[in-house]
Amino acid sequence: GAVVSQHPSRVICKSGTSVKIECRSLDFQATTMFWYRQFPKQSLMLMATSNEGSKATYEQGVEKDKFLINHASLTLSTLTVTSAHPEDSSFYICSARLPSGGRGVETQYFGPGTRLLVL
Amino acid sequence: LAKTTQPISMDSYEGQEVNITCSHNNIATNDYITWYQQFPSQGPRFIIQGYKTKVTNEVASLFIPADRKSSTLSLPRVSLSDTAVYYCLVGPNQAGTALIFGKGTTLSVSS
Repeated sequence: GAVVSQHPSRVICKSGTSVKIECRSLDFQATTMFWYRQFPKQSLMLMATSNEGSKATYEQGVEKDKFLINHASLTLSTLTVTSAHPEDSSFYICSARLPSGGRGVETQYFGPGTRLLVL
Repeated sequence: LAKTTQPISMDSYEGQEVNITCSHNNIATNDYITWYQQFPSQGPRFIIQGYKTKVTNEVASLFIPADRKSSTLSLPRVSLSDTAVYYCLVGPNQAGTALIFGKGTTLSVSS
């Protein structure tokens, strides 16, 4: 299947610092990417939809000034957690739909995730 | 978006066939059914996807009855490495629309 990568795989930072997470679609172009967050023993929660060349759409309850999303190209979206605090510690996962070219279903593929720990 | 209901957990032994059923009573006409597998500290991995009837690939089968209000993921001859959380998701084949996750089913396979 299609490959979505994330970098870094894990990051530890001090409270108050900002952390950037990159999401790349390696073998396809994605005009839209999605960012999810997953806390221990819980399911994935959609945070925002990242649109290439335009502003991201955030889910209710997600602070757009806290979680900055930039979709700079058709293969790269970044999530920046600004002024991170311990409660932001979580597993962040990005995803992208593989275009079908109008010939079928656009399957959503997920990156390996980024573990963020804020001390 | 359609809500899904799955068993919270299931137990099985190596070599057995496992069937996980998901109900999605308010599935829409343009919704597809997709199943993912997730191991701890990893992103969900695509297993199989379908719209109606039966779909089979090298790892699983997906059975969807005519009314599409439920679906069953069938894993033949599971092994210890199939221990994971399995998610059933329902959503439209629509660019820009994200899949919304339910709670998933934790499958534990023992020897």
